[in-house]
Amino acid sequence: DVKVTQSSRYLVKRTGEKVFLECVQDMDHENMFWYRQDPGLGLRLIYFSYDVKMKEKGDIPEGYSVSREKKERFSLILESASTNQTSMYLCASRSAEGTDTQYFGPGTRLTVL
Amino acid sequence: AQRVTQPEKLLSVFKGAPVELKCNYSYSGSPELFWYVQYSRQRLQLLLRHISRESIKGFTADLNKGETSFHLKKPFAQEEDSAMYYCALGTDSWGKLQFGAGTQVVVTP
Repeated sequence: DVKVTQSSRYLVKRTGEKVFLECVQDMDHENMFWYRQDPGLGLRLIYFSYDVKMKEKGDIPEGYSVSREKKERFSLILESASTNQTSMYLCASRSAEGTDTQYFGPGTRLTVL
Repeated sequence: AQRVTQPEKLLSVFKGAPVELKCNYSYSGSPELFWYVQYSRQRLQLLLRHISRESIKGFTADLNKGETSFHLKKPFAQEEDSAMYYCALGTDSWGKLQFGAGTQVVVTP
């Protein structure tokens, strides 16, 4: 059974703080993704990674960066958090083989005050 | 540009009634279509995908390339079907997905 875990379920930060969201998967998946989920907007892709140290921008990368130093771990970084980054953040992973589905983590609810 | 449209934000149905969630997409290539579901306090999970052509939890979805639609249907809704449903479009080999805005389904007894 695929397991994708995220470091925090709830996080409260102040404007201007640097924020790290961590995601770990245990299925040796090559591809990992970060989305934000907002009511009325669905899920929007922030960044994805197809290998260690490899990353590509998604649809809304502004204000975010990522790090993939190990295959199982994909970190989302908010360099200077702003109130409009208050959202639910979902991590997902997927095997590069065939047409596998994405497996999602439980999400991190981030509030920026 | 790829786009996924779910026109209904909220769908309220009675238990035992049919339910249909609409999904339209725009994509010039050969699409991969998915339905994902998120039950209350649970993680997002795959419900079904068009290439499988299977029925999951009584739900079916048919890809209509002429109408660029992938509507989700169930003939008799159950209370446990209450959830948020997302239609998603896959367009590349990396597995990136374009999601619709989602439809909240509420099944009342």
